[in-house]
Amino acid sequence: GNSVTQMEGPVTLSEEAFLTINCTYTATGYPSLFWYVQYPGEGLQLLLKATKADDKGSNKGFEATYRKETTSFHLEKGSVQVSDSAVYFCALTHMNRDDKIIFGKGTRLHILP
Amino acid sequence: ETGVTQSPTHLIKTRGQQVTLRCSSQSGHNTVSWYQQALGQGPQFIFQYYREEENGRGNFPPRFSGLQFPNYSSELNVNALELDDSALYLCASSFGGGNQPQHFGDGTRLSIL
Repeated sequence: GNSVTQMEGPVTLSEEAFLTINCTYTATGYPSLFWYVQYPGEGLQLLLKATKADDKGSNKGFEATYRKETTSFHLEKGSVQVSDSAVYFCALTHMNRDDKIIFGKGTRLHILP
Repeated sequence: ETGVTQSPTHLIKTRGQQVTLRCSSQSGHNTVSWYQQALGQGPQFIFQYYREEENGRGNFPPRFSGLQFPNYSSELNVNALELDDSALYLCASSFGGGNQPQHFGDGTRLSIL
């Protein structure tokens, strides 16, 4: 079945460091891929998405490229800020009848000032 | 535009009781999905409603049921509560299916004693 695997956290970085959170997926066909962010005490917010191979999603300095050959969608940011501290979820959805989202387990990110 | 709102924000119940959680979808959205997020885990798809009918279901027992109303708001009902039902319950709304982004509410935190 479809699944998402992302690196375990927590990830702790200093402010202005480079961030990579790895994500790989297993799916039939051509899923759409997403990164969601969850700040403490809040629901999920869509951070970025990519709907086909080689697409690059970007938002708020974060980027991720849909790599079908490696079934990956790694999240990157060149210079993180304290305000980026949150839990990040990689996810996929398929264009089928219910288009349910399948989430990874999440990666907690701590940014130190 | 009004976002997705969920009520209540927190709820405490005991084993065997029944609970109803409510969700108002974002203006213009006709599809509502429910997810269960256990502590430290990614959200798991419970079911989706589209135009008042169930449009897909995840691996949850029948004691998890739902409704969608003509104004596209929705309820999640859980009967015979168990300790493992303690979780954050998230509602997400979208327009139609496919690649339309799902917008999440802040969730209802359910604790079972």
